[in-house]
Amino acid sequence: EVQLVESGGGLVQPGGLLRLSCAASGFLVNSDYMNWVRQAPGKGLEWVSIIYADGSTYYADSVKGRFTVSRDNSNNTLSLQMNSLRAEDTAVYYCARAYCPGDSCPFVSWGQGTLVTVSS
Amino acid sequence: SYVLTQSPSVSVAPGETARIACGGNNIESKSVHWYQQRPGQAPVLVVQDDSDRPSGIPDRFSGSNSGNTATLTISRVEVGDEADYYCQVWDSSDSYVFGSGTKVTVL
Repeated sequence: EVQLVESGGGLVQPGGLLRLSCAASGFLVNSDYMNWVRQAPGKGLEWVSIIYADGSTYYADSVKGRFTVSRDNSNNTLSLQMNSLRAEDTAVYYCARAYCPGDSCPFVSWGQGTLVTVSS
Repeated sequence: SYVLTQSPSVSVAPGETARIACGGNNIESKSVHWYQQRPGQAPVLVVQDDSDRPSGIPDRFSGSNSGNTATLTISRVEVGDEADYYCQVWDSSDSYVFGSGTKVTVL
């Protein structure tokens, strides 16, 4: 059974940093496209970043240059390093596995999310 | 960047049909995925690639995509279908895009 469990959320001051983790089981994080998606309180879903099986990464413009996605193949985990945090980064952060049976890659598995609050 | 437009809300009586639209420029050229998010829960994929249902999703959920509008249709609506629904596509700029979401209320 595929399972994703996020951790690392919490309260951080503006300008601070935080590292989120996503522990995966039932599949290998280096074999699929892994994503971070966030949802601000009362708002919709916003895609944040992706790491492909070949290790290449892409980011939403809103986090580019501040966030870094990576993975630890030995521990089968996904991480998101968040620097220079702003109030508008406050959100529940989900990791999501994209499965690509063809040309498109829907998000077939999601974690339960971890809340990041940026406030002084 | 690519923009997906959804109506904020749809209301429907139990047993009736709900149709949720997702507008985008020439969206028919893209594969559209739909997610259901119940309050306090993570999203769940309900339709992929315009009209395919993942395993375990009831056949009451169906999708279509034509022109500038993709549509998620929920037939024989149940109280348990009350949730937010989001459409999603892959943009050519190496990024995913979500619609703004539609809240389905079952009267």
